[in-house]
Amino acid sequence: DAKTTQPTSMDCAEGRAANLPCNHSTISGNEYVYWYRQIHSQGPQYIIHGLKNNETNEMASLIITEDRKSSTLILPHATLRDTAVYYCIVRANQAGTALIFGKGTTLSVSS
Amino acid sequence: NAGVMQNPRHLVRRRGQEARLRCSPMKGHSHVYWYRQLPEEGLKFMVYLQKENIIDESGMPKERFSAEFPKEGPSILRIQQVVRGDSAAYFCASSPQGQGNTEAFFGQGTRLTVV
Repeated sequence: DAKTTQPTSMDCAEGRAANLPCNHSTISGNEYVYWYRQIHSQGPQYIIHGLKNNETNEMASLIITEDRKSSTLILPHATLRDTAVYYCIVRANQAGTALIFGKGTTLSVSS
Repeated sequence: NAGVMQNPRHLVRRRGQEARLRCSPMKGHSHVYWYRQLPEEGLKFMVYLQKENIIDESGMPKERFSAEFPKEGPSILRIQQVVRGDSAAYFCASSPQGQGNTEAFFGQGTRLTVV
């Protein structure tokens, strides 16, 4: 079972920042937080991952709280093409672990 | 560097036939994961393989489904005697290692339709 809790859906205006929350209150010290998205039944797309420090790449920023029990994915300037289901996943840093997807958040970006 | 390649992209099978789905991982990746997505549902983990080894098959149905990742060639997900309920999108992902600090990249999937 997924170890994360996300809102079912969110709306965002085009050009605004999209802030997607995720709760992972039972996260262990060796578990990473991953974010993927799936656009209209395409293959899931990797966005970003982190352990405890905030991370940023060309797609998004990941903010992890100090106690690591929650995180927020930030898309700084959402576009219509960012409409997708966003998945927050925790994954242990040990050999033999797969990514287990939950239900995710459906983000709808509108003009 | 080509991404994860899955073929065929679309597959139609009659009930009772066999379906073979292929996944070629990214170059240098020795870990492969298979997922199934039923219509209007989420991604369900099926099996995790390393070259010539099954690491975790906890999500595989007990009957009719099997997977392999030989030393040479693509990973194969095989479904014997398909039924209508097997109609779904099957996604494959690969990673260079199987640990938490390495991202996995997905292919575009194979859409299986059983008629």
